[in-house]
Amino acid sequence: EPEVTQTPSHQVTQMGQEVILRCVPISNHLYFYWYRQILGQKVEFLVSFYNNEISEKSEIFDDQFSVERPDGSNFTLKIRSTKLEDSAMYFCASSVRGQGHYEQYFGPGTRLTVT
Amino acid sequence: GENVEQHPSTLSVQEGDSAVIKCTYSDSASNYFPWYKQELGKRPQLIIDIRSNVGEKKDQRIAVTLNKTAKHFSLHITETQPEDSAVYFCAASAGRDDKIIFGKGTRLHILP
Repeated sequence: EPEVTQTPSHQVTQMGQEVILRCVPISNHLYFYWYRQILGQKVEFLVSFYNNEISEKSEIFDDQFSVERPDGSNFTLKIRSTKLEDSAMYFCASSVRGQGHYEQYFGPGTRLTVT
Repeated sequence: GENVEQHPSTLSVQEGDSAVIKCTYSDSASNYFPWYKQELGKRPQLIIDIRSNVGEKKDQRIAVTLNKTAKHFSLHITETQPEDSAVYFCAASAGRDDKIIFGKGTRLHILP
């Protein structure tokens, strides 16, 4: 069964550094999402992406965040200047467009630790 | 925007007993309600979902109910087993392209 994959599984970075989190969605999916989960808390929506542009973003997704689909397979989340509070698990998800298809498939996550 | 409330935050049940988790949502435009199970350090895994044109759905030991008028939905797990121990999240979405809004989660402990 196809799966969403994410790399790296764990990223440690210093405050103020840029990080890029990578995701490979399922190949026939057209909608892509990033969510984050601070340790012990709920999963929070960051951004949705379709047709090479952002569909919707949350208040968390400020100017420090950006997303890109550089080559038709990867979907990346960039944090320009990381803060301590960016430490979280970041999940990528994708879904297929079509009548009756609602499920978003989640990747295994990237644990980001900002020191 | 949508807000999903979930309770209880922690639930302990004896193995073999039933567990019930309840959620409410605020946005009447929401029409898709997935439930996720998350084990420690793992991704959320969809275990069952329900759409707003259906009042109840069952899959083996798991059932979900939806009351659109009251904006309530619930997860029922019967004959609980040790492997049911995990964090369960309810969620709501307004459509197939839309973001999923999660509840705060319920940590379910199955006691031997």
